[in-house]
Amino acid sequence: SQKIEQNSEALNIQEGKTATLTCNYTNYSPAYLQWYRQDPGRGPVFLLLIRENEKEKRKERLKVTFDTTLKQSLFHITASQPADSATYLCALSPGGASKIIFGSGTRLSIRP
Amino acid sequence: GAVVSQHPSWVICKSGTSVKIECRSLDFQATTMFWYRQFPKQSLMLMATSNEGSKATYEQGVEKDKFLINHASLTLSTLTVTSAHPEDSSFYICSAVPQVWNTGELFFGEGSRLTVL
Repeated sequence: SQKIEQNSEALNIQEGKTATLTCNYTNYSPAYLQWYRQDPGRGPVFLLLIRENEKEKRKERLKVTFDTTLKQSLFHITASQPADSATYLCALSPGGASKIIFGSGTRLSIRP
Repeated sequence: GAVVSQHPSWVICKSGTSVKIECRSLDFQATTMFWYRQFPKQSLMLMATSNEGSKATYEQGVEKDKFLINHASLTLSTLTVTSAHPEDSSFYICSAVPQVWNTGELFFGEGSRLTVL
């Protein structure tokens, strides 16, 4: 069956450390993968998109990698801050379908 | 960035009544809008894809007669939850796709929290 899994339901790390979140998918061949941030009671906000021919993409303190062999994407936040605390969702478009489906999400908490 | 507005942001209704939720793209035209449902501490589950001027495409397991979707213009899609029951209580979120969708990015509304008593 097709699945998108984010391995950690919750992640709690110390401020200043690097947070690494994992997204694994099975039985998909996405052309790209996206990461979103969602705060409680709000809609998701787009962060980064990485295409299948890209290994890595960066935006300020964020870095995303995409390994189509492992069917995995890693999302890193360096120099984490309490304001980075939120739920982070990975998402992909199933090959040939014009829709976006989401992983289960990881609740990240950055403690001061 | 592109702005998507959802209304109402929260609604409480009695069991058996119908509730309409609006999703508007404020500064762009959206040929396609997606409707998601999110239960507490769970991820977004795609309910249906709404295309302007045509019938919505529903995901497996989503009752099209219960969740009526209308996408009558390039800036407005509506979701009507008919004969709502307590198990329909959830956070409903729409997202809109610009006509020229070359970034893959989705623009989300702020969500509508439905509570059915």
